[in-house]
Amino acid sequence: GESVGLHLPTLSVQEGDNSIINCAYSNSASDYFIWYKQESGKGPQFIIDIRSNMDKRQGQRVTVLLNKTVKHLSLQIAATQPGDSAVYFCADRTPAGGGADGLTFGKGTHLIIQP
Amino acid sequence: EPEVTQTPSHQVTQMGQEVILRCVPISNHLYFYWYRQILGQKVEFLVSFYNNEISEKSEIFDDQFSVERPDGSNFTLKIRSTKLEDSAMYFCASRGDRGNQPQHFGDGTRLSIL
Repeated sequence: GESVGLHLPTLSVQEGDNSIINCAYSNSASDYFIWYKQESGKGPQFIIDIRSNMDKRQGQRVTVLLNKTVKHLSLQIAATQPGDSAVYFCADRTPAGGGADGLTFGKGTHLIIQP
Repeated sequence: EPEVTQTPSHQVTQMGQEVILRCVPISNHLYFYWYRQILGQKVEFLVSFYNNEISEKSEIFDDQFSVERPDGSNFTLKIRSTKLEDSAMYFCASRGDRGNQPQHFGDGTRLSIL
């Protein structure tokens, strides 16, 4: 079964508004979480990551929040721009030792920026 | 900025044929990965590779699949006898070796099995 999933397949926001993309994960042993952005015809592009010993991490216009109690992850994008239109995936890693760190991806949320 | 590069961008192969997908990871990275993405679906982990051996593989990565690092720069995925259901985007990724480092992905190879 899936260990990571997203609540909404599509999110439409007005240009300049803030966006919040949500993600739920099921494995409480996951210790590392990443958000990726995927544009059409491209590979996943790293946005921001967070370790399980943190609740919040900020980057440029993006913030990731981690709530381990309810196993929930969110990505906040401030002042969305047309270039933010893409599919956003969360992914988690469950440590297994020996260099085993394959990521488990969620299904993705398609963020659409309305002019 | 360093990139993961993959070739070819599109590979069309007859069912039953062997195919090799090629990747050049970021030069100072030591951990390498293959993922696949069936059209419209999520990205799925196939295999991770470190220190010249497989460190983890998923259920998808059966005996038809193999990986190799033939030299100091390339990382390949071979599918021995392709099936129709192998049609997908295949992504290579790599990461550095310091603590929690994000995996960086190439733009993929679209594999079409006829």
